[in-house]
Amino acid sequence: QLVLTQSPSASASLGASVKLTCTLSSGHSSYAIAWHQQQPEKGPRYLMKLNSDGSHSKGDGIPDRFSGSSSGAERYLTISSLQSEDEADYYCQTWGTGINVFGGGTKLTVL
Amino acid sequence: QVQLVESGGGLVKPGGSLRLSCAASGFTFSDYYMSWIRQAPGKGLEWLSDISSSGHTIYYADSVKGRFTISRDNAKNSLYLQMNSLRAEDTAVYYCAREGDPYSSGWYRYWGQGTLVTVSS
Repeated sequence: QLVLTQSPSASASLGASVKLTCTLSSGHSSYAIAWHQQQPEKGPRYLMKLNSDGSHSKGDGIPDRFSGSSSGAERYLTISSLQSEDEADYYCQTWGTGINVFGGGTKLTVL
Repeated sequence: QVQLVESGGGLVKPGGSLRLSCAASGFTFSDYYMSWIRQAPGKGLEWLSDISSSGHTIYYADSVKGRFTISRDNAKNSLYLQMNSLRAEDTAVYYCAREGDPYSSGWYRYWGQGTLVTVSS
């Protein structure tokens, strides 16, 4: 069964870096994912598509502070030089034939 | 630029029906799979349904199969979600989203702003 697992919460200080993790279920370690950001009271916004080899393609206007990487079944979103507007929920998403799956989301608090 | 604008949400009684629309612009609508995703209050994102660029291939999540129907009108650049037999647990913000690559299902590159559906007596 295709499942994505995310930690419910994370926090980091203004100006620091944070690395969020999304874990693919067993047998699905080759899958690509997408990262989406949802700021408070707003709709989701596409950040990037992240492949199993770590290559990624970002959405329109996404700053260089956002980057992605992969290791095995883990997919990472790293945000550097944290700003207050980065405080948001971050969702990973993957897909198969006839199915789309979202992780439970990570709520990022910028201290 | 790509725009997706949902409409049709509102308050409906349990067992009732509602039809959501998503007006698309800024891209060749008929080239892309489209999807509906929802978010219950305080909860995460839940995929509901995909429809292929031609409309011939459709997928549903088990939670809505048999109650919801996705459709599209490529001449009107519009996506629809017919929701029947609504339950309290269908209360959510409903988003339409466009797939990232033409003619394929997968990741969502563009999202609408959402429309709120409240199911309550």
